[in-house]
Amino acid sequence: NAGVMQNPRHLVRRRGQEARLRCSPMKGHSHVYWYRQLPEEGLKFMVYLQKENIIDESGMPKERFSAEFPKEGPSILRIQQVVRGDSAAYFCASSQTALHYNEQFFGPGTRLTVL
Amino acid sequence: AQSVTQLDSQVPVFEEAPVELRCNYSSSVSVYLFWYVQYPNQGLQLLLKYLSGSTLVKGINGFEAEFNKSQTSFHLRKPSVHISDTAEYFCAVSVGSNYKLTFGKGTLLTVNP
Repeated sequence: NAGVMQNPRHLVRRRGQEARLRCSPMKGHSHVYWYRQLPEEGLKFMVYLQKENIIDESGMPKERFSAEFPKEGPSILRIQQVVRGDSAAYFCASSQTALHYNEQFFGPGTRLTVL
Repeated sequence: AQSVTQLDSQVPVFEEAPVELRCNYSSSVSVYLFWYVQYPNQGLQLLLKYLSGSTLVKGINGFEAEFNKSQTSFHLRKPSVHISDTAEYFCAVSVGSNYKLTFGKGTLLTVNP
C-alpha cells in the first residue's frame, strides 16, 4: 500500500517562473492538506482540500498561490511568478477523514529552490 | 491562537543514553497533541498522539510522552536511544476538532556512538 507520493522531490526555478507541485494521497484518502516548511521553521498549514473542493485556504498567501484537487488525478499546488522567499519544503498530507484524531500521513515533500 | 514551543533546537546524546525532548504549547481550549519524526529527506511519520484518557502515551520505536495540563507540556522521552533515532522531531497541536496541525520548529536529535 503506497504512501503519500509527491513529485518532483526537488524543483529549481528562476524568479518569475511557475512551480507546480503534485501530491497523490494514500489509497482511500479523500482529504489532502498542504504545509510549507521554511528554513529552520516548523511546518505551517496552507490549505485543505477534498475532491474538487477547497475547504480551507486560510494559510495560503492571497496572491500567486493556488491549489486544486480534481476528481481524477493528483492534488496540485501552483505557485506563479516565484520569488526567492518561496524557497521552502512543501509537504502534502492525506487522511481518511478530517476529524482531529484521524492521522495525517505525510509525503516526502518537494524542496523548491528559487534562484 | 495556539502555538507550540520546542525549547531545544538540537540535542546531542550518546548511544544507549536516555533522552527527553521538550515541548510546550499554549491554547485556551482543549488540545490534541502529536509527536512526529522526520528522517533525512523523508516525510513526517507519526510517533504518538494524545487525544484523551491516560496522560502517559506510548508510541512506536520505544518512545513515550506525558501530557501535563498544568504545565502545558508534552515532553517526549526514550530510556535508551539508538544511532537510528537520529532525526528531527516535531511536536504539533490541534485544537478542538480542528484538522489543522500547528507545529513547533523541531528538535534535531543526534545520537553519537
